[in-house]
Amino acid sequence: AQSVTQLGSHVSVSEGALVLLRCNYSSSVPPYLFWYVQYPNQGLQLLLKYTSAATLVKGINGFEAEFKKSETSFHLTKPSAHMSDAAEYFCAVTPTGFQKLVFGTGTRLLVSP
Amino acid sequence: NAGVTQTPKFQVLKTGQSMTLQCAQDMNHNSMYWYRQDPGMGLRLIYYSASEGTTDKGEVPNGYNVSRLNKREFSLRLESAAPSQTSVYFCASSEAGVTRTEAFFGQGTRLTVV
Repeated sequence: AQSVTQLGSHVSVSEGALVLLRCNYSSSVPPYLFWYVQYPNQGLQLLLKYTSAATLVKGINGFEAEFKKSETSFHLTKPSAHMSDAAEYFCAVTPTGFQKLVFGTGTRLLVSP
Repeated sequence: NAGVTQTPKFQVLKTGQSMTLQCAQDMNHNSMYWYRQDPGMGLRLIYYSASEGTTDKGEVPNGYNVSRLNKREFSLRLESAAPSQTSVYFCASSEAGVTRTEAFFGQGTRLTVV
């Protein structure tokens, strides 16, 4: 079954530092990949999605992710962290032939002043 | 814009009690989903409804039933609650499947079973 693995349940950065959240997928064919963000006590919000149109995907709030087939990765980055970026981030994949999302276990981003 | 509305926001049940979680969306979406979120496990799909009149099991359907009452509403029922069903439940909707269109999530229902 297709799945995603998020390395690191917590990532801590300083304000202004690079944000890198890792996601690797398991699939024999390039799947649809997504990053969602969850702010405290809220539902999830789509940050960006990869649907094979372009390998570098730009999302909201300055985030972007690069699809690398050779590494089966879809890491999320942001050049400069802001305090408001503190949240939990989920990588998700749509299994081939299904119209549903399979989520990773999530990475909590902590941003310190 | 209401989006996806879930009720209640919080609930405490005793083991063996039943309850229904309500979900409604006002975006005229075809597909609706129920997920549960547990620490360290991400979100897991319980049931989904690709369109009005259809429902399908997800990864963890045991102990739950669903009803797609109409295009707007998709309810989740726990017939006999168990402590293992303590979780945060999210309803989501999308226009035509999550690959082509964004999934919108409700704010969640925090359920505790004692």
